[in-house]
Amino acid sequence: VQLVESGGGVVQPGGSLRLSCEGSGLTFSSYGMHWVRQAPGKGLEWVAFIRYDGSDKYYADSVKGRFTISRDNSKNTLYLQMHSLRAEDTAEYYCAKTYGSGSRIDFWGQGTLVTVSS
Amino acid sequence: IQMTQSPSSLSASVGDRVTITCRASQGISNFLAWFQQKPGKAPKSLIYSASTLQSGVPSKFSGSGSGTDFTLTISSLQPEDFATYYCQQYYTYPITFGQGTRLEIK
Repeated sequence: VQLVESGGGVVQPGGSLRLSCEGSGLTFSSYGMHWVRQAPGKGLEWVAFIRYDGSDKYYADSVKGRFTISRDNSKNTLYLQMHSLRAEDTAEYYCAKTYGSGSRIDFWGQGTLVTVSS
Repeated sequence: IQMTQSPSSLSASVGDRVTITCRASQGISNFLAWFQQKPGKAPKSLIYSASTLQSGVPSKFSGSGSGTDFTLTISSLQPEDFATYYCQQYYTYPITFGQGTRLEIK
């Protein structure tokens, strides 16, 4: 199983960015997926979840209305569209898969760094 | 739901046995997971359902608890066990993590 994030980079405050997470070695469409972030030197913060078929989505209050989680099961890919980015969104962003169709995380990607700075 | 870990940091020696505590601000049954993270690396899943070891995780790791109070115990510490440990509740959304416990070599 591999989860590979991409799309991170440096963006100005107020800008947008789209992260991707491509899965391989698994039946991607069978698993719920999370985004979790970690600001430099800080702890883990859950960001968003999408059910295996995209039917349910949940967000942290800190990103609600600014971030959108989505997936394309035909491409084995998870996305996080981020708008109105703030300095406090600077973090390593990890995608993580669930065990089965539930919400329990059992495997993590390696992360992609997003830096919001002018 | 707020998750509070204690201690925030812990110094121990190789061969020691240590216990980390995680408390939930309300009952979460056994919907509690533990993760290990080493510097510069992604987290790794250790335990789920409060006490079930993830496949491939050595039995030196054990978890217990239900409701609001949980513990992670690591026996016979080895150099590779020194890392930061996080608890996480997945009982309800928003999912929340504890602040982490940094385990350092004494």
